[in-house]
Amino acid sequence: DVKVTQSSRYLVKRTGEKVFLECVQDMDHENMFWYRQDPGLGLRLIYFSYDVKMKEKGDIPEGYSVSREKKERFSLILESASTNQTSMYLCASSPAGQSYGYTFGSGTRLTVV
Amino acid sequence: GQNIDQPTEMTATEGAIVQINCTYQTSGFNGLFWYQQHAGEAPTFLSYNVLDGLEEKGRFSSFLSRSKGYSYLLLKELQMKDSASYLCAPNSGNTPLVFGKGTRLSVIA
Repeated sequence: DVKVTQSSRYLVKRTGEKVFLECVQDMDHENMFWYRQDPGLGLRLIYFSYDVKMKEKGDIPEGYSVSREKKERFSLILESASTNQTSMYLCASSPAGQSYGYTFGSGTRLTVV
Repeated sequence: GQNIDQPTEMTATEGAIVQINCTYQTSGFNGLFWYQQHAGEAPTFLSYNVLDGLEEKGRFSSFLSRSKGYSYLLLKELQMKDSASYLCAPNSGNTPLVFGKGTRLSVIA
């Protein structure tokens, strides 16, 4: 069964901490994405990557960075966590090309206190 | 940019039929995805429409009208487990998917 695995299901971090959210896929997909999901706002794209070492800003990249050193792994970094980054974070992957749907990880619910 | 509109919430009775609409405006268009998301879980793929018309897949069907920028998801013989959010996402081609805010469906006995 194909999978996108996010390292943590729940995380609690303190304001100002540097936070790493890891995402690994085993489908040899080229494309990987990070979204956050908030009530009333839906899924919003933070960053995406179409290839190793490649990254592109999404709609809300402020306060975040990403790393893609290997094809299967796409990490989201919160440089200095703030309470407004409390959210559900969803990683997704897809094959190259535009006609393929995304496979999502199970999500990380991050609380910043 | 993209503009995607779905109803926020719907309620339907077990065993009934419900139609969830999605209207969209995009600068390019290749097709439209529907995803299901149960509370606290990840979205999962339901359907992808490229051509106009209705595509049936068991109890779920999806319709697309490219000229009207309109799609709907039709759920028949509703079951309690169908209570979830349903997200539409037009595929505009060269950019990542933008999802609608989702329609939260509650199925009641």
